[in-house]
Amino acid sequence: DGGITQSPKYLFRKEGQNVTLSCEQNLNHDAMYWYRQDPGQGLRLIYYSQIVNDFQKGDIAEGYSVSREKKESFPLTVTSAQKNPTAFYLCASNVRGSYNEQFFGPGTRLTVL
Amino acid sequence: DQQVKQNSPSLSVQEGRISILNCDYTNSMFDYFLWYKKYPAEGPTFLISISSIKDKNEDGRFTVFLNKSAKHLSLHIVPSQPGDSAVYFCAASQGGSEKLVFGKGTKLTVNP
Repeated sequence: DGGITQSPKYLFRKEGQNVTLSCEQNLNHDAMYWYRQDPGQGLRLIYYSQIVNDFQKGDIAEGYSVSREKKESFPLTVTSAQKNPTAFYLCASNVRGSYNEQFFGPGTRLTVL
Repeated sequence: DQQVKQNSPSLSVQEGRISILNCDYTNSMFDYFLWYKKYPAEGPTFLISISSIKDKNEDGRFTVFLNKSAKHLSLHIVPSQPGDSAVYFCAASQGGSEKLVFGKGTKLTVNP
């Protein structure tokens, strides 16, 4: 079955620790994205990557970092510089090019204590 | 500054009736619009899209209407079913960009 996996589903970390969220896809998609969702808010773009070894900042990139060493994988690191990291994080991917819908993973709920 | 607005946080309808979810946008350069459905603690799933060269697109029970002059689009669900109860997000992109701008969502409740 093709799809996007995110692990773990729930993640707890202490304040001041960096944490890496996993995103893997086997859809052969070139483009991948990271979004953050807060209660009562829409999805806000953190980072996106259109091709391996290249990525761009989204609207709220501060305090986050990414890498794209493989086509299938786009991990997101939430650093201690992120002021309010507790949120629901969603990874998405699509076929590169315009007018193509994005497919989303199941999400990771990060809680920083 | 919100470029995509869903002004109704929630909507409640009876099973079998029509659900109409609305979305307004401010960026006249947006030329592709999508609707996603999201259940709690899950990722959004794509429902239907429309490009700016059209004013209507249908897929089964779902129809999206686009009024470019009013910068407004709507999603119609007919007939509504209890399983349609979810949060619906409107999203838009411009000029062939792969970046999507999302609204805050409308929570639809379909009562049996």
